[in-house]
Amino acid sequence: DIQMTQSPSSLSASLGERVSLTCRASQEISGYLSWLQQKPDGTIKRLIYAASTLDSGVPKRFSGSRSGSDYSLTISSLESEDFADYYCLQYASYTFGGGTKLEIK
Amino acid sequence: QIQLVQSGPELKKPGETVKISCKASGYTFTDYSMHWVKQAPGKGLKWMGWINTETGEPTYADDFKGRFAFSLETSASTAYLQINNLKNEDTATYFCAPIFAYWGQGTLVTVSA
Repeated sequence: DIQMTQSPSSLSASLGERVSLTCRASQEISGYLSWLQQKPDGTIKRLIYAASTLDSGVPKRFSGSRSGSDYSLTISSLESEDFADYYCLQYASYTFGGGTKLEIK
Repeated sequence: QIQLVQSGPELKKPGETVKISCKASGYTFTDYSMHWVKQAPGKGLKWMGWINTETGEPTYADDFKGRFAFSLETSASTAYLQINNLKNEDTATYFCAPIFAYWGQGTLVTVSA
């Protein structure tokens, strides 16, 4: 089974700050990776698919990238609505990362 | 616009059965397979499996083989998740999601004696 190791598990950051989250795949997933955002009310939204393609309507401050088996989500300048939980999902064989809780500093 | 509307919260006793529904609208139901995802209280997301909405064939993740059943009512654009012989550890919010671009609002199932 493919494991997705997501880091950090929690992150405290300030408005306007640039942050990056990472998921490392235990096996090749060929870029089949999405990033999801879950708000405190439980609502889940996909932000990025195919490692770096932004979903329609997602602000351009979000971006995704890949370096080997490491996949990253970067938020260039945090806004208040960005404080949420984030998950990566590899959809080569379907595994979620453990999640990152992004909190306001 | 695409919408997934799930059935309401359930309170069940251990050993009982629950059936959750997920009604899709805004797209052709059979265009996308339906995935199911579990989120235990305070925990992360866990993929349960998916059902091919064209053939009705389900695929279950290893941890969800045996007591879990996916089904369809294609004429109503609705997918179902049934959990038999409920256990305390089944207490969770369950989500449906076609291709993970769209998500239901989640259904909380609480199992308690």
